[in-house]
Amino acid sequence: DSGVTQTPKHLITATGQRVTLRCSPRSGDLSVYWYQQSLDQGLQFLIQYYNGEERAKGNILERFSAQQFPDLHSELNLSSLELGDSALYFCASSGMIAGPQYFGPGTRLTVL
Amino acid sequence: QQQVKQSPQSLIVQKGGIPIINCAYENTAFDYFPWYQQFPGKGPALLIAIRPDVSEKKEGRFTISFNKSAKQFSLHIMDSQPGDSATYFCAASNDEGGGNKLTFGTGTQLKVEL
Repeated sequence: DSGVTQTPKHLITATGQRVTLRCSPRSGDLSVYWYQQSLDQGLQFLIQYYNGEERAKGNILERFSAQQFPDLHSELNLSSLELGDSALYFCASSGMIAGPQYFGPGTRLTVL
Repeated sequence: QQQVKQSPQSLIVQKGGIPIINCAYENTAFDYFPWYQQFPGKGPALLIAIRPDVSEKKEGRFTISFNKSAKQFSLHIMDSQPGDSATYFCAASNDEGGGNKLTFGTGTQLKVEL
């Protein structure tokens, strides 16, 4: 157990809908990262927040957005969902801006 | 383009064997190279990591070998066990731009047979 928690574990929704994925970092960690894992794209970095501020951005679609709250938990919002958005979404955390990243158990999103 | 190339895609070894997984990178600004282990239905778990100022690092049965001039690094699993059967990912990162994103290889599915 990495200490990173993610909810929900599974999410099934329809095309065009909007969902919110939640992540709580390890106690004391200030950085939160979001990654997408799919069969065709592998593990792809989406976005990083450090102490509430966006620090790095990867291949995140404009339909996706994220934020980190004052209590350091983070949410990833996915809107106008498409079939191709079906994937595993992982959150990771680290103590500082850089450093070892510890991954949560993931949220499996299925878009029908 | 920041890429990490990983091989082989899959690997089968006998119990007690030493599987070796290789990765190569292009971006010389990378300064942190972790390896992750992932079991089906679970998140990637950090196994071991290395920085370019050392050529080898050992933690338990896991060893990273690093060749800075060749821009390559590899994972060796000593005395492999059936419980090591999992997917292994190499990754690389640097703090370019004030952040710290991991760029992952495509993964190696390892099976350790009795």
